[in-house]
Amino acid sequence: EAGVTQFPSHSVIEKGQTVTLRCDPISGHDNLYWYRRVMGKEIKFLLHFVKESKQDESGMPNNRFLAERTGGTYSTLKVQPAELEDSGVYFCASSPLLPGLASRSSYEQYFGPGTRLTVT
Amino acid sequence: QKEVEQDPGPLSVPEGAIVSLNCTYSNSAFQYFMWYRQYSRKGPELLMYTYSSGNKEDGRFTAQVDKSSKYISLFIRDSQPSDSATYLCAMSVNSGNTPLVFGKGTRLSVIA
Repeated sequence: EAGVTQFPSHSVIEKGQTVTLRCDPISGHDNLYWYRRVMGKEIKFLLHFVKESKQDESGMPNNRFLAERTGGTYSTLKVQPAELEDSGVYFCASSPLLPGLASRSSYEQYFGPGTRLTVT
Repeated sequence: QKEVEQDPGPLSVPEGAIVSLNCTYSNSAFQYFMWYRQYSRKGPELLMYTYSSGNKEDGRFTAQVDKSSKYISLFIRDSQPSDSATYLCAMSVNSGNTPLVFGKGTRLSVIA
């Protein structure tokens, strides 16, 4: 079974430009999360989708960030315009709505490899 | 005060050593406690999961939670070079369908 995939793996853009990150969750996972790790800091929650609906976007830093999940499948996170402080690693995670038999926890979140964003 | 505190290390130990990793937290509402392992250029991978206080063992790994002290630990016995990674503690208030709150992670190197 394919894991969570993220594209691109690395993006370097100039301040003021726009970047769109993509996440493909594990097939059948209705929960999709975005997290971000800024250098030297802990991984922090950005937002949570259940299917196509935003369940919790309390972690979104400001209105320059726009997340979508059309059709409840893949998700995109757009940063427009990008600022220097947006640099970091953006992780996507997915989990099923109900625990599966193979899960080691009730609702394990499976993480993608992350997108490293560098804003210069 | 940060919700979760974790010493970032780095921590370097010889092969075969017992490793102790720890986190403290401030939010008494946390009930679910996890340890994730992250290899370089990879995403975090769940290693251990514990509900409330107590111990849980899985092979060479033991997770402990002391809610009265707001302190969690991960012990690795007979450490191997393949255990070299960053270990992140994570917590949540509810089980399932809720965001995780992470510590900074501890970078561990096991030297052969």
